[in-house]
Amino acid sequence: DADVTQTPRNRITKTGKRIMLECSQTKGHDRMYWYRQDPGLGLRLIYYSFDVKDINKGEISDGYSVSRQAQAKFSLSLESAIPNQTALYFCATSHGLAGETQYFGPGTRLLVL
Amino acid sequence: QQQVKQSPQSLIVQKGGISIINCAYENTAFDYFPWYQQFPGKGPALLIAIRPDVSEKKEGRFTISFNKSAKQFSLHIMDSQPGDSATYFCAARKGGKLIFGQGTELSVKP
Repeated sequence: DADVTQTPRNRITKTGKRIMLECSQTKGHDRMYWYRQDPGLGLRLIYYSFDVKDINKGEISDGYSVSRQAQAKFSLSLESAIPNQTALYFCATSHGLAGETQYFGPGTRLLVL
Repeated sequence: QQQVKQSPQSLIVQKGGISIINCAYENTAFDYFPWYQQFPGKGPALLIAIRPDVSEKKEGRFTISFNKSAKQFSLHIMDSQPGDSATYFCAARKGGKLIFGQGTELSVKP
């Protein structure tokens, strides 16, 4: 969905490096989410934010941090990347009051060597 | 623990056949059950969803069957087409957050 963009789309990094994945949305939604997708494990929630001043841990937040710079921007950081963080990462947005649907970005494929 | 269990992990169906994917959940506090469809290289997109006070919802060739007492729900794709080949995820919502199943890779053969 072009309304939710993620950068970069692909990234190769080395163990121990700090990297940031960025998400921007033009849908005007207040809620934003970060997920990782691994084969056989589905989508797992890393962090979520219901508004700019609200940040919450998901089920697998260890090794990750986030920043909600504005309503439209939500960044995910890996402070010190490790190989088992190799995965496909998705950002998603939803409207808090009116909407139940989550709209996903195109994903970032991350490889940690 | 896996709060939403999805099966099968992969499914091959002939064109025109019925595809059935099943999910089971444990937490009775879940209040919304969507199915998402994901094509290669794309993010998941909402396909169809149901609330627990309804036993069935149909949209075109796609139907959700919901069994509240058994804590199970399933996606049926009638007249499956090669264009339906994708990964399908069930999910359940609690507190505004979605818990996803493990995913099913569907391949529809011509």
